[in-house]
Amino acid sequence: DTGVSQDPRHKITKRGQNVTFRCDPISEHNRLYWYRQTLGQGPEFLTYFQNEAQLEKSRLLSDRFSAERPKGSFSTLEIQRTEQGDSAMYLCASSLGTSGEYSGNTIYFGEGSWLTVV
Amino acid sequence: DAKTTQPTSMDCAEGRAANLPCNHSTISGNEYVYWYRQIHSQGPQYIIHGLKNNETNEMASLIITEDRKSSTLILPHATLRDTAVYYCIVRPLSSASKIIFGSGTRLSIRP
Repeated sequence: DTGVSQDPRHKITKRGQNVTFRCDPISEHNRLYWYRQTLGQGPEFLTYFQNEAQLEKSRLLSDRFSAERPKGSFSTLEIQRTEQGDSAMYLCASSLGTSGEYSGNTIYFGEGSWLTVV
Repeated sequence: DAKTTQPTSMDCAEGRAANLPCNHSTISGNEYVYWYRQIHSQGPQYIIHGLKNNETNEMASLIITEDRKSSTLILPHATLRDTAVYYCIVRPLSSASKIIFGSGTRLSIRP
């Protein structure tokens, strides 16, 4: 039973560079979520996909951030022109999303990708 | 999503039961109570969820009051590995609604 997988787990980049994180959800999960978490804070919602459609984006997702899920399976989160304020852990999560199923909407999280912008 | 209120921090002796309270007085009829925990530097881990009946699994028990305005997560025999931030969340089940995290309760287990 593989959980949500994120890669890379750690990334150090220079300010101004672009970075991309990948998320592989639990197999057959059609819903995928991205969150960001800074030290001492709870995770903050960024965006959500159902299959390949991006259905909701937070105001936290500035125009430097873009998320894709081209085939409804894995997803990527790209940050362009990184700033020091982007340093955080980026969390991916997924859920099965079967309507009406008791446990189908439970959201499961990956271990996160740590970004440090220097 | 309804707002929840949790104590900022708690501690518990190893081997004892840890009881984590949560108030959700504005919970709606279609909203479930979910609990997650986050061990330092790891992603949030799902623990348990329930609607109105008490629930138990291999990790914990969830006790929901009859009026559903509050709940308690019980870790029956706390170990040092249970040291984490515990989040109580309410959200509708039958939707794709995102989880909105509050500040949670920082639980420390002392030897």
